[in-house]
Amino acid sequence: GAGVSQSPSNKVTEKGKDVELRCDPISGHTALYWYRQSLGQGLEFLIYFQGNSAPDKSGLPSDRFSAERTGGSVSTLTIQRTQQEDSAVYLCASSFAGALTDTQYFGPGTRLTVL
Amino acid sequence: RKEVEQDPGPFNVPEGATVAFNCTYSNSASQSFFWYRQDCRKEPKLLMSVYSSGNEDGRFTAQLNRASQYISLLIRDSKLSDSATYLCVVNENNDMRFGAGTRLTVKP
Repeated sequence: GAGVSQSPSNKVTEKGKDVELRCDPISGHTALYWYRQSLGQGLEFLIYFQGNSAPDKSGLPSDRFSAERTGGSVSTLTIQRTQQEDSAVYLCASSFAGALTDTQYFGPGTRLTVL
Repeated sequence: RKEVEQDPGPFNVPEGATVAFNCTYSNSASQSFFWYRQDCRKEPKLLMSVYSSGNEDGRFTAQLNRASQYISLLIRDSKLSDSATYLCVVNENNDMRFGAGTRLTVKP
């Protein structure tokens, strides 16, 4: 079956512009996660959605970052007024029920470059 | 101090060698542990979960030491295809913390 998909695969933007990154989780997965991976760094947790519960936003680095998940499926990560330090690969993952032992399946990522 | 620390490597080993990676974590309340593999410019993929009793999957053995708060991954009879970055992952209440990864290169 289809895995997690993300779009766009690459995004180049100018400093100060807003960007939207999209994630389509695996069908039937109730948990969805966003991470970012900067060059040479580990993955940094950003936000977690579980079903219809309020998202865990504890990892968002600033109020320029927001995310929503419509209808419990597709999610959009929005970065407003982008800065050069936002350049990274943004990875989305989904899991079946969000249990601690559930495997997270990652999408291919969106590589964001802020000039 | 980082929450999850790994030796970044690189580890350069010949085919057939045995190599071990360690990972330490700072949060004693962490509840589940994993090793992910990430190929260059690809997304991470689960290699194996790490159980308290230790677990083995073919050439790969994972160990957890809760008292010392470290996790290990042992790769025996390494293959060229094992070349990748290995990420240690620690999970507490679905807040996944990833190490920066250990880079392994297996050479002929």
